[in-house]
Amino acid sequence: GQQLNQSPQSMFIQEGEDVSMNCTSSSIFNTWLWYKQDPGEGPVLLIALYKAGELTSNGRLTAQFGITRKDSFLNISASIPSDVGIYFCAGPLNSGNTPLVFGKGTRLSVIA
Amino acid sequence: NAGVTQTPKFQVLKTGQSMTLQCAQDMNHEYMSWYRQDPGMGLRLIHYSVGAGITDQGEVPNGYNVSRSTTEDFPLRLLSAAPSQTSVYFCATQLRGRGYNEQFFGPGTRLTVL
Repeated sequence: GQQLNQSPQSMFIQEGEDVSMNCTSSSIFNTWLWYKQDPGEGPVLLIALYKAGELTSNGRLTAQFGITRKDSFLNISASIPSDVGIYFCAGPLNSGNTPLVFGKGTRLSVIA
Repeated sequence: NAGVTQTPKFQVLKTGQSMTLQCAQDMNHEYMSWYRQDPGMGLRLIHYSVGAGITDQGEVPNGYNVSRSTTEDFPLRLLSAAPSQTSVYFCATQLRGRGYNEQFFGPGTRLTVL
């Protein structure tokens, strides 16, 4: 089946640093989604991208829909302790927008 | 609005036991799905439903059954639990239609099979 490859698998950063992570696929996606999972909770949507080349921000988070439609990037600026968690990329398996396939996640740790 | 609720929060089973994980939503979303999350594996789709009376298999359906008799509920059944089914299970719902609509996740059920 379709797979989303996320990198890095984990990151340890100092508070205040910027963070970059990415997601790639061998297949074209028409929508790219970024979710965050806090410890002990279910994932929550951060950003949704709908067009190739689109750049969207949500506070300190910025995500981009790659031109090839096979990748997406998430950047976090000036990280803070509450950024800790697992970040997942996801995309719809078909044109009907459901169901979603998820990457394996990037685990972010922030050192104060 | 309770959103997506899952019960129980924690469960321990012995190998061979059966149980049902409950998922309920009050958002009138047509689409519901079940995922399992294992360390380093991300979220893997077990079963999903695009509406009452319609279900389909996801990536890892073996050992699990589902049914969708109402819009609100989407229970996940383990007929004969195995240690390999030890995992955290998440239910998610989504409003279908044009464009992408946010998928909402429940708080999860943590299942241990001994």
